[in-house]
Amino acid sequence: KQEVTQIPAALSVPEGENLVLNCSFTDSAIYNLQWFRQDPGKGLTSLLLIQSSQREQTSGRLNASLDKSSGRSTLYIAASQPGDSATYLCAVIETSGSRLTFGEGTQLTVNP
Amino acid sequence: ETGVTQTPRHLVMGMTNKKSLKCEQHLGHNAMYWYKQSAKKPLELMFVYNFKEQTENNSVPSRFSPECPNSSHLFLHLHTLQPEDSALYLCASSPTALALGEQYFGPGTRLTVT
Repeated sequence: KQEVTQIPAALSVPEGENLVLNCSFTDSAIYNLQWFRQDPGKGLTSLLLIQSSQREQTSGRLNASLDKSSGRSTLYIAASQPGDSATYLCAVIETSGSRLTFGEGTQLTVNP
Repeated sequence: ETGVTQTPRHLVMGMTNKKSLKCEQHLGHNAMYWYKQSAKKPLELMFVYNFKEQTENNSVPSRFSPECPNSSHLFLHLHTLQPEDSALYLCASSPTALALGEQYFGPGTRLTVT
């Protein structure tokens, strides 16, 4: 059974800092990996999707990397802003393609 | 309205009540999903509908009953719930059930069972 773990569970940083969020998964037979953002009391917004054949994806200040063989992904946020404060969720789709398996998330607070 | 909408946004119900959650998507998608998000636990998939047919039931107790009358609407009927069912219930849609990476989520219904 696929398990997804995110470290740290919570992170508080001053504005302007570069930071890294970590995601690990137990079964490397994945189809793709996705990073989401969730604001308090709201649904999920997709940030980046990395196909299993890719090593990284970039969108603005966000860069996500994938090392499938070691079962790891990182989300790098450059020059963090208070508006980046949210919970960041990592999810994988296995090659069976049947479902998204989510991690518990990292709650990020960027202090002005 | 655009995207995925859910009503109500907040719901408090007793264990003997019957209520329904509603989800509507305006994206022309054919697959819809119910997820449960409990405190300090990963998001859990509950049900998947593809072209109005249920394709997955993730061992969900029968006190949760889904209904998908058409590809744009999804309901979750609730009855005789337990306090541990209190959670955020999220609806999502995607072009088809194969396009798992293209899911769009609604804002969720915060359910409290007393």
